[in-house]
Amino acid sequence: GNSVTQMEGPVTLSEEAFLTINCTYTATGYPSLFWYVQYPGEGLQLLLKATKADDKGSNKGFEATYRKETTSFHLEKGSVQVSDSAVYFCALSKQGGSEKLVFGKGTKLTVNP
Amino acid sequence: EAGVTQFPSHSVIEKGQTVTLRCDPISGHDNLYWYRRVMGKEIKFLLHFVKESKQDESGMPNNRFLAERTGGTYSTLKVQPAELEDSGVYFCASSQTPGYGYTFGSGTRLTVV
Repeated sequence: GNSVTQMEGPVTLSEEAFLTINCTYTATGYPSLFWYVQYPGEGLQLLLKATKADDKGSNKGFEATYRKETTSFHLEKGSVQVSDSAVYFCALSKQGGSEKLVFGKGTKLTVNP
Repeated sequence: EAGVTQFPSHSVIEKGQTVTLRCDPISGHDNLYWYRRVMGKEIKFLLHFVKESKQDESGMPNNRFLAERTGGTYSTLKVQPAELEDSGVYFCASSQTPGYGYTFGSGTRLTVV
């Protein structure tokens, strides 16, 4: 079946450090890939997405590239801020049908000043 | 536009009691999804409505869970009777076009004691 594996953390960084959160997936065909973020006390928000191989999603300084050859969608940011502290979820959905999301377990990021 | 609204935000009930969670999607969004995150585990799909019809309910854990969406507007998720393992955060999401990202509510944290 479809599944997503992401580094579980928690991850603690200092402000302005480089961030990578690894995400790999297992799926048949060509899923769409997503990163969602949950800030403290809030709901899930779509951070970025990619719908086909080699697409790069980007938003708020975060980037992730859809790598079909390595079945990966790693999240990166060059310089994190305290306000980036949140839980990050990698997810996929298969096109067609209900297009339900399959999530990883989430990675809690804490950025210290 | 107003976002996806869920209430209550928190609910603490005793084992064996009944609880009803409500989700108000974004107006005009035909697609409504329920997800659940049990402590320390992945966010898992429960079911998908298209308007008032259940498109996919493959994630519903058992017959103690009943979801409805009368009139294709808001949705309720009833748990009867609640068990300890039902504790977790229940998320609702809506979308106009599946597969391109959903808008999630803030979730209902359910604690069964």
